[in-house]
Amino acid sequence: QKEVEQDPGPLSVPEGAIVSLNCTYSNSAFQYFMWYRQYSRKGPELLMYTYSSGNKEDGRFTAQVDKSSKYISLFIRDSQPSDSATYLCAMSSSSNTGKLIFGQGTTLQVKP
Amino acid sequence: NAGVTQTPKFQVLKTGQSMTLQCAQDMNHNSMYWYRQDPGMGLRLIYYSASEGTTDKGEVPNGYNVSRLNKREFSLRLESAAPSQTSVYFCASSEDRGDTEAFFGQGTRLTVV
Repeated sequence: QKEVEQDPGPLSVPEGAIVSLNCTYSNSAFQYFMWYRQYSRKGPELLMYTYSSGNKEDGRFTAQVDKSSKYISLFIRDSQPSDSATYLCAMSSSSNTGKLIFGQGTTLQVKP
Repeated sequence: NAGVTQTPKFQVLKTGQSMTLQCAQDMNHNSMYWYRQDPGMGLRLIYYSASEGTTDKGEVPNGYNVSRLNKREFSLRLESAAPSQTSVYFCASSEDRGDTEAFFGQGTRLTVV
C-alpha cells in the first residue's frame, strides 16, 4: 500500500463547478502538506501549502488538512478551463521541503 | 531568472547505453533532488543532496548514480540503461525551511528501447 493515495481520475467538470480533490495518507509523521499543479509536459508548480492541520485559502483555492483522519483536500471554486491540469498532493515529515512523498495525481478537465 | 534548468529535454537510449542528465539552479538553494514520474505512480524520489558534497538515496535509487558538482549543479547518471528506466525525470531545488517550496525543472523525457 502506498503511503499516499490519490484518486487518479480523470475528473471532468463544467466551467463554474466546485471541484474537490482528495488524498489519504498512512504516515502520521507527515507535517507539511502541499498541492502541486502540473500542466501537460511541464514541471509541477506549488499551488497550496499547509503546515499541520487546518484550512488555508488563496483566492478560488482552499486546502484542508485533517490529521486525525489522515485526509487532505483541495477545493477549487468557480473552476475555469485554465484550471485543467494534473493536481498532485505531496507530503513531508521534515522541513526538508523538497523531500516529498507524492500522490498519484488527479487529472482535471474543466469544460467551457 | 531561469530557476531550475534541465538538459536534455528529450533522449532515446538503447538498452545498456549510459547517459548523464544535467540539472542546474540559479536560486542559491542548498538542497537539490531528482524525481522520476511514471503513469499512475506520481513522482518518486531517486536521490537528493542536502548540500554540496553530500548525497542520499531516495525511494527508488537502484540503477542510478548522482553527483553534486557544486552548489548549482546536480547530475543523474544511468550507467547501463534499462527499459524500466523509461520515464520523465524532474530535478528540483529548495531552501529547506519549513515554509518554503521546492521548485521543479521542466523535465527530461527518457525512452530506453
